[in-house]
Amino acid sequence: AQSVTQLDSQVPVFEEAPVELRCNYSSSVSVYLFWYVQYPNQGLQLLLKYLSGSTLVKGINGFEAEFNKSQTSFHLRKPSVHISDTAEYFCAVTLNYGGATNKLIFGTGTLLAVQP
Amino acid sequence: DAGVIQSPRHEVTEMGQEVTLRCKPISGHNSLFWYRQTMMRGLELLIYFNNNVPIDDSGMPEDRFSAKMPNASFSTLKIQPSEPRDSAVYFCASSLPLGGQETQYFGPGTRLLVL
Repeated sequence: AQSVTQLDSQVPVFEEAPVELRCNYSSSVSVYLFWYVQYPNQGLQLLLKYLSGSTLVKGINGFEAEFNKSQTSFHLRKPSVHISDTAEYFCAVTLNYGGATNKLIFGTGTLLAVQP
Repeated sequence: DAGVIQSPRHEVTEMGQEVTLRCKPISGHNSLFWYRQTMMRGLELLIYFNNNVPIDDSGMPEDRFSAKMPNASFSTLKIQPSEPRDSAVYFCASSLPLGGQETQYFGPGTRLLVL
């Protein structure tokens, strides 16, 4: 069965510091990988996704993530965070088996709490 | 485009009452998803549709929950009868099917409180 693990439920960090949010997945078939962000009292929105090609993916708001197949990881990074980055971040995968549409399998989320 | 539209945004009801949540997907999107989010269980997929047909309803918690998509621009999620443990934020999302590469676009959610 496929699964997504976000080991850190909460990551406190000071403003302008770098941050890494960890994500590991388990799957017997190839996957597509996503990071979604949820700001307070809002729905989720796409931050970035890895489909194929370069393993370093750049997203919105200065975030980037690196796909590591051997470690089955897709960690999210930002070199300098802002107060406005405070939100819940969800890692997710879909399976690459050629179906018309596939459901997202979400991790449990990581709350990034940026402090002044 | 206005994005995914959900109504109502907030709903407070009493145990035993019927609750109907509504969703209008982005025009042209063929896939529609219903999710539930709680502190205890996180984000759960309840059901999803492709071209108005339910594809996977394995996440629907029990017979009290039902979902319909009578046409490409409207879906409902109904809870009858409602119970306090149904209190959660319910999200609707839509996408263009792209074999798993698609981005899902989420609505703002309906915050349901069952007393």
